[in-house]
Amino acid sequence: AQSVAQPEDQVNVAEGNPLTVKCTYSVSGNPYLFWYVQYPNRGLQFLLKYITGDNLVKGSYGFEAEFNKSQTSFHLKKPSALVSDSALYFCASFGAGKSTFGDGTTLTVKP
Amino acid sequence: GAGVSQSPRYKVTKRGQDVALRCDPISGHVSLYWYRQALGQGPEFLTYFNYEAQQDKSGLPNDRFSAERPEGSISTLTIQRTEQRDSAMYRCASSLVGGSTEAFFGQGTRLTVV
Repeated sequence: AQSVAQPEDQVNVAEGNPLTVKCTYSVSGNPYLFWYVQYPNRGLQFLLKYITGDNLVKGSYGFEAEFNKSQTSFHLKKPSALVSDSALYFCASFGAGKSTFGDGTTLTVKP
Repeated sequence: GAGVSQSPRYKVTKRGQDVALRCDPISGHVSLYWYRQALGQGPEFLTYFNYEAQQDKSGLPNDRFSAERPEGSISTLTIQRTEQRDSAMYRCASSLVGGSTEAFFGQGTRLTVV
């Protein structure tokens, strides 16, 4: 069985500060890990993924994530947050067809 | 098409009626997923196709739910004898092939059972 956990329902940061949205996983075998963002009344949009290789992956809009096998984590990061980054963020694992999403973290960036 | 298209965007139906939700994936995408998303929660996996073959239907809640993709493109999720607890956002996604390629999501169908 595979599972993904996002321990924080809400993350608040000031504009210009670095942000981290946390994700931990429990997946058998090699995990395929993804981050998606959802804006109000919109579908989910792909941000970045880890399949294999370099543990630091870079994605859209300046976001990056670090795969840490020993801590089974895949935290989403951005060096300098923008107000427009405010949205709902989902971590997900895909493998052998079935996919599992976390319950989401609401990111609020205040001016 | 340019993206994943779902129809209808909104559906209100009476309890006990059958509904069919349609998903038109990105052209050439082999894999197609169906999810159900409750407010404030992440998408819940329902089922998955590669081409026309249903690879995994373990997420379908009960036998009132079924899905097909007969020609390996458009897919239909059917809910028979709808119940109020079926009310949710139903989302479809497609990917080029398998779990290592990113899935692109449609706008979803908001189903309300009254």
